[in-house]
Amino acid sequence: SAVISQKPSRDICQRGTSLTIQCQVDSQVTMMFWYRQQPGQSLTLIATANQGSEATYESGFVIDKFPISRPNLTFSTLTVSNMSPEDSSIYLCSVVTSGPYNEQFFGPGTRLTVL
Amino acid sequence: AQKVTQAQTEISVVEKEDVTLDCVYETRDTTYYLFWYKQPPSGELVFLIRRNSFDEQNEISGRYSWNFQKSTSSFNFTITASQVVDSAVYFCALVPSGTYKYIFGTGTRLKVLA
Repeated sequence: SAVISQKPSRDICQRGTSLTIQCQVDSQVTMMFWYRQQPGQSLTLIATANQGSEATYESGFVIDKFPISRPNLTFSTLTVSNMSPEDSSIYLCSVVTSGPYNEQFFGPGTRLTVL
Repeated sequence: AQKVTQAQTEISVVEKEDVTLDCVYETRDTTYYLFWYKQPPSGELVFLIRRNSFDEQNEISGRYSWNFQKSTSSFNFTITASQVVDSAVYFCALVPSGTYKYIFGTGTRLKVLA
């Protein structure tokens, strides 16, 4: 398993501003992901954070809106740029540790409200 | 297409009742994994169980049990003698072998009333 922390845990932001969310893992992990969970909805994968290279984005998500960094095997950031109220969501990072089971461990989430 | 359906949007039960949460999946892959996660009001996702497609044995863990039936593409979750602390949103997820991309269902909100 892995212990994952996210900062901030929650924030209220103004329209047009940007917020950077940090994800820290207590051990080196092979893969890291970022998800969005809009109010009352399921989780949607935003991108795979690749260490040392550009993130791989899912359909409907673009780097200009959600730039991601992953400078090492234990840390990643997701920035939500030029925010609008539609970006109000919980943002979760997840990691895959070594092993055969494709199991992901999820961070506690960042609850974002955009006014 | 690969898909997970949780038809029950919300279920309310009285404490100590048994409750079953349904999960039906679609995939053409022969090898895949199925998961259940719990999301309490605090928002974090808590891992409950993983099952691979070759293991159809049912599993029991305390008050929790899971019924995996490939013939009906279902992976249902039963809570016995429910408690207020079981109140949460429960997600079922499918992960095709060879990928780490989770396909989540829309979740079932369980409310256990005292």
